Amino acid sequence: EVQLVESGGGLVQPGGSLRLSCAASGFTFSSYWMHWVRQAPGKGLVWVSRINRDGRSTSYADSVKGRFTISRDNAKNTLYLQMNSLRAEDTAVYYCARDLFADDSSGTNWFDPWGQGTLVTVSS
Amino acid sequence: DIQMTQSPSSVSASVGDRVTITCRASQDISTWLAWYQQKPGKAPKLLIYAASSLQSGVPSRFSGSGSGTDFTLTISSLQPEDFASYYCQQANSFPFTFGPGTKVDIK
Repeated sequence: EVQLVESGGGLVQPGGSLRLSCAASGFTFSSYWMHWVRQAPGKGLVWVSRINRDGRSTSYADSVKGRFTISRDNAKNTLYLQMNSLRAEDTAVYYCARDLFADDSSGTNWFDPWGQGTLVTVSS
Repeated sequence: DIQMTQSPSSVSASVGDRVTITCRASQDISTWLAWYQQKPGKAPKLLIYAASSLQSGVPSRFSGSGSGTDFTLTISSLQPEDFASYYCQQANSFPFTFGPGTKVDIK
């Protein structure tokens, strides 16, 4: 069964840091582009970041560029999101999501499946 | 950034009804469009990609159409498990943006 399980969320003060992890199983992790998408409480979905299959190419939403870093460890089948200089507006459920198709040179940028999400709350 | 809009923002419908949700992009995205279903407290689920391709395992009562800037998601006969929120998403260019969502609830 294809599965993505996020961890690492929690309560952090403004200006603080947090690292999210996403453990993948049931598929060849290194064959897929991966993404992070977030959803503030009661709000819509916002794409955050993506990383290519070998981790050498990354992209970010402007709202997190320079503060967040996406990475992956293909040996551990794990995706990461390092979040620094956190702000109240970063409060959200963070989902990791797999790109739809494997071995795509540029990624399809459609997301399936998704993890269950991990809640990040930035508050003093 | 490409802006995505959806209409209606909410719709009340009965089991068996045909439901149509519209999504519009602020510029031409060809068929780089996906539709997702999200139930409260759950992760989104991909229904349709490339504007009209049905994701594996998704019931055939869901269909998508459109290209360019105007797209439609249709549920041909609403089932109890279909009461949820629906989001469109463009995959044409960075940043990948979602519509604000359409909530389908019980009449």
